[in-house]
Amino acid sequence: EPEVTQTPSHQVTQMGQEVILRCVPISNHLYFYWYRQILGQKVEFLVSFYNNEISEKSEIFDDQFSVERPDGSNFTLKIRSTKLEDSAMYFCASTQGTRLSYEQYFGPGTRLTVT
Amino acid sequence: AQKITQTQPGMFVQEKEAVTLDCTYDTSDPSYGLFWYKQPSSGEMIFLIYQGSYDQQNATEGRYSLNFQKARKSANLVISASQLGDSAMYFCAMREGLSDYKLSFGAGTTVTVRA
Repeated sequence: EPEVTQTPSHQVTQMGQEVILRCVPISNHLYFYWYRQILGQKVEFLVSFYNNEISEKSEIFDDQFSVERPDGSNFTLKIRSTKLEDSAMYFCASTQGTRLSYEQYFGPGTRLTVT
Repeated sequence: AQKITQTQPGMFVQEKEAVTLDCTYDTSDPSYGLFWYKQPSSGEMIFLIYQGSYDQQNATEGRYSLNFQKARKSANLVISASQLGDSAMYFCAMREGLSDYKLSFGAGTTVTVRA
């Protein structure tokens, strides 16, 4: 069964460093997302991506964040200068976005720890 | 205002019994979809069930069923014949409209199944 994959599973970085989180969405999906979940809290939307551009972003997704789809398969989230409060689980998700299939599938997540 | 409200922070259920997890939602969009995800202690988000606002029948997937009451804006998840492996956090989520499809999540309910 196709699945969303994410690498790395865990990333530890120092405050102020840049990190890139990687995702491979399901191949025939058209919409891609990043969400984050601070430990013990609910899942929060960061950004959605469609047709090679950002379609919506939350107030969390400030200038420190960027997304890219550098080729036909990868989807990346970059945090330019990490802060302690960026420590969270980051989930990539994708959906076909058609009337027949609105299900949104999540990757296993990348746990980011900023020290 | 919260788009998704889950009022039960934690629940205990006896193995083989059924459990109902509450979810109420708030939207003015006539087209929306409701999702339930399971998050075990390992952290991944597992899609369980989806209900569209125009669907006439309540969604069912194996032991999971969604009790959709549109007038009350509720979308409760029923897990029948609980198993020890059902112990996890459960999130209700909603997409609004027919574009973008981003999800808004509730705070979650922790379910603990007792032998």
